[in-house]
Amino acid sequence: GQNIDQPTEMTATEGAIVQINCTYQTSGFNGLFWYQQHAGEAPTFLSYNVLDGLEEKGRFSSFLSRSKGYSYLLLKELQMKDSASYLCAVSPTSGTYKYIFGTGTRLKVLA
Amino acid sequence: GAVVSQHPSWVICKSGTSVKIECRSLDFQATTMFWYRQFPKQSLMLMATSNEGSKATYEQGVEKDKFLINHASLTLSTLTVTSAHPEDSSFYICSARDIGTSGEQFFGPGTRLTVL
Repeated sequence: GQNIDQPTEMTATEGAIVQINCTYQTSGFNGLFWYQQHAGEAPTFLSYNVLDGLEEKGRFSSFLSRSKGYSYLLLKELQMKDSASYLCAVSPTSGTYKYIFGTGTRLKVLA
Repeated sequence: GAVVSQHPSWVICKSGTSVKIECRSLDFQATTMFWYRQFPKQSLMLMATSNEGSKATYEQGVEKDKFLINHASLTLSTLTVTSAHPEDSSFYICSARDIGTSGEQFFGPGTRLTVL
């Protein structure tokens, strides 16, 4: 079966760094995506990893280890507006481009 | 670029009626669109993959006769919830994949369906 796990909730302080982990077990692997979703809104794209290593994009970085079935999203210099759900999604099959989403992590940033 | 719209943004209907939700890619062509539903405080659950010019592919457990999907053009897919019941109340989100990208999906703003 397909299984993607993330912590349910995390809390961090404004200005701090937080790491959100994602582990996956899927029938195949064609890329891993991170999305941010504010309550009642659509998810917005943050990052994409298909090869092992770190991808950096401003305050956000994402890491992938395919051999371990593991990824993390790193958020630096946290701001109040970063309070949102963070969704890890794996595309298991080449050609269909469908995603399997993880459970999502609700991040609360405190002043 | 890469904007996806959904209409309506919210709808309230009576039990037994049918509701149509439109998903449009505004500035790109999408051979593939996806329909998800999301319950409060839960993640997105893929319902079906909508392919332009062919039948949709439904995920296990999703009733194809209940959730009718039509992908009539490269920029439009519709989801019709037939004979809606209160348990169909949910947040429905579509996404579209740009032909020219590596697989990234762009999401619409979602449609909040409430069935009374």
